[in-house]
Amino acid sequence: DAGVTQSPTHLIKTRGQQVTLRCSPKSGHDTVSWYQQALGQGPQFIFQYYEEEERQRGNFPDRFSGHQYPNYSSELNVNALLLGDSALYLCASRGKGYGYTFGSGTRLTVV
Amino acid sequence: KQEVTQIPAALSVPEGENLVLNCSFTDSAIYNLQWFRQDPGKGLTSLLLIQSSQREQTSGRLNASLDKSSGRSTLYIAASQPGDSATYLCAVSNYGGATNKLIFGTGTLLAVQP
Repeated sequence: DAGVTQSPTHLIKTRGQQVTLRCSPKSGHDTVSWYQQALGQGPQFIFQYYEEEERQRGNFPDRFSGHQYPNYSSELNVNALLLGDSALYLCASRGKGYGYTFGSGTRLTVV
Repeated sequence: KQEVTQIPAALSVPEGENLVLNCSFTDSAIYNLQWFRQDPGKGLTSLLLIQSSQREQTSGRLNASLDKSSGRSTLYIAASQPGDSATYLCAVSNYGGATNKLIFGTGTLLAVQP
């Protein structure tokens, strides 16, 4: 049973560019959340999708947007990249149970 | 606003020692608390999940306890091994349902020396 799958694993972008990160949730899970983890810090909540709608959002600017598809997969889009957006981006999914399952993350480097 | 703190920030122990990692949270009205392990540059692996109505959970050499009233949780690792070296994160959720988000501490970096 595949867990949470994220792509790509690594990405290098230039300031001002746009990036799209992808996530396939664990089988049977319908809720997807995205987190940003800076080096040496705990993950910070970006937003959560359920039934193809953004249900909750953390303290991130509108440059961060997302989408959830009918098959529950999700995308995270970041526009006008800043150097400070360099981080590990984690996707987590949850089903009818209580705990979250995390993917291996996408390492984004903005230069 | 919920805040999660983990102490110590880093810990180095010789192989075979029993150890305790601490997690504290400011708002005791949590829905559940989850402990994760993170290897360098990798994603999070869930270790234990404790519901607000539970006092502890055990998995193998790991035991996590929860004291909601005092806003504390501990992760006990018995007979530590070099393979236990990683960052340990605790996270709380204040709500159930579709809109619960996880609020993380900054983690404890554990090094088990052979």
